[in-house]
Amino acid sequence: RKEVEQDPGPFNVPEGATVAFNCTYSNSASQSFFWYRQDCRKEPKLLMSVYSSGNEDGRFTAQLNRASQYISLLIRDSKLSDSATYLCVVNRNTGGFKTIFGAGTRLFVKA
Amino acid sequence: SQTIHQWPATLVQPVGSPLSLECTVEGTSNPNLYWYRQAAGRGLQLLFYSVGIGQISSEVPQNLSASRPQDRQFILSSKKLLLSDSGFYLCASKLAGVAYNEQFFGPGTRLTVL
Repeated sequence: RKEVEQDPGPFNVPEGATVAFNCTYSNSASQSFFWYRQDCRKEPKLLMSVYSSGNEDGRFTAQLNRASQYISLLIRDSKLSDSATYLCVVNRNTGGFKTIFGAGTRLFVKA
Repeated sequence: SQTIHQWPATLVQPVGSPLSLECTVEGTSNPNLYWYRQAAGRGLQLLFYSVGIGQISSEVPQNLSASRPQDRQFILSSKKLLLSDSGFYLCASKLAGVAYNEQFFGPGTRLTVL
């Protein structure tokens, strides 16, 4: 089992739809959490950090559930430009500090 | 903020040839530096990381090596490339001393070994 797991998708949604991605992590010592976005053939870019209280940035909302060990990303009013792969990222400090990347969830937003 | 430079952007090399990829960082001192590889349609694989000059940790045994000759310079090398070394190579940087901060990525080098 992978330490950070994501549904690979793809998610195919129409413009304007709301879409949600979940990510589960197995190490309860995980300390910080992020969502990255990666466009085709480009480097990953930080989308947002994920805080225990939940946080929102425009159309994007991230939530963390420590008890169930999952994080989520909600995208409202999807745009064509949201089409990308979304990576879930977890930092933890057991047996040394490590950053673990999920394999990503692909999103296609259609006109 | 940090800026990470990588070159070359693309590279086509024959099997058995050497490799040298360079990464430099601006805007921060003593960063933690990372080399990742991403195969087509796959996730990121951590290859090496460094917490300081001359300090290299290897995550995956392979025919690649890394060096950090200067604080903000990280080099990925190979003496003899294999077909399986093809992929998208990404350098990343993280502020030192703040363990739980995010990593920032360079634009990557797309390597094709023929």
